Amino acid sequence: AQKVTQAQTEISVVEKEDVTLDCVYETRDTTYYLFWYKQPPSGELVFLIRRNSFDEQNEISGRYSWNFQKSTSSFNFTITASQVVDSAVYFCALSEAEGAGSYQLTFGKGTKLSVIP
Amino acid sequence: DGGITQSPKYLFRKEGQNVTLSCEQNLNHDAMYWYRQDPGQGLRLIYYSQIVNDFQKGDIAEGYSVSREKKESFPLTVTSAQKNPTAFYLCASSTRGVSYNEQFFGPGTRLTVL
Repeated sequence: AQKVTQAQTEISVVEKEDVTLDCVYETRDTTYYLFWYKQPPSGELVFLIRRNSFDEQNEISGRYSWNFQKSTSSFNFTITASQVVDSAVYFCALSEAEGAGSYQLTFGKGTKLSVIP
Repeated sequence: DGGITQSPKYLFRKEGQNVTLSCEQNLNHDAMYWYRQDPGQGLRLIYYSQIVNDFQKGDIAEGYSVSREKKESFPLTVTSAQKNPTAFYLCASSTRGVSYNEQFFGPGTRLTVL
């Protein structure tokens, strides 16, 4: 069975600090997909990134970067120079390529990030 | 603008009543999903549908029902059999119901049972 663990329930940082959100996953499949979503106070989830299990290259998009390490089953998300607008709940999710897990996303419980001005 | 709409945003219901949550998308997506979110919890899948007139149970389907008569619509009924229905409900859609496609989410409906 697939599982996603986000051990950090809540994090508070002061504006302009860097912050890393941790995500650890479990799956038996060799092919799978990892996602990060942002949920601002309005409630709607916003897609941030998708990574497949064969691509371990780190990704950078502006102030956001993602570190995928299969050896430790982790897919961590770093925000550089955080801003108040980054305050949200962030979810890591996993989808398997085949079988019953291929048609659904398994979400972690989320990390609530508060950026203090 | 393309997107997913859910209505109403807030819904109150008395115990023992059925209630239907609306979800409409104009993204021309084949697959649609319903999730439930409880405070401090991740999202849990209730039902999903990959094509019209077909749907499958997710992890927590008991006490819920759905229909998919049109591609753009996927309403969710919370029945009186659902023991703890107070939650935030999110509808999503994707191009196809395959694992690598990202899902797009609606704004959600917050249901409170009085």
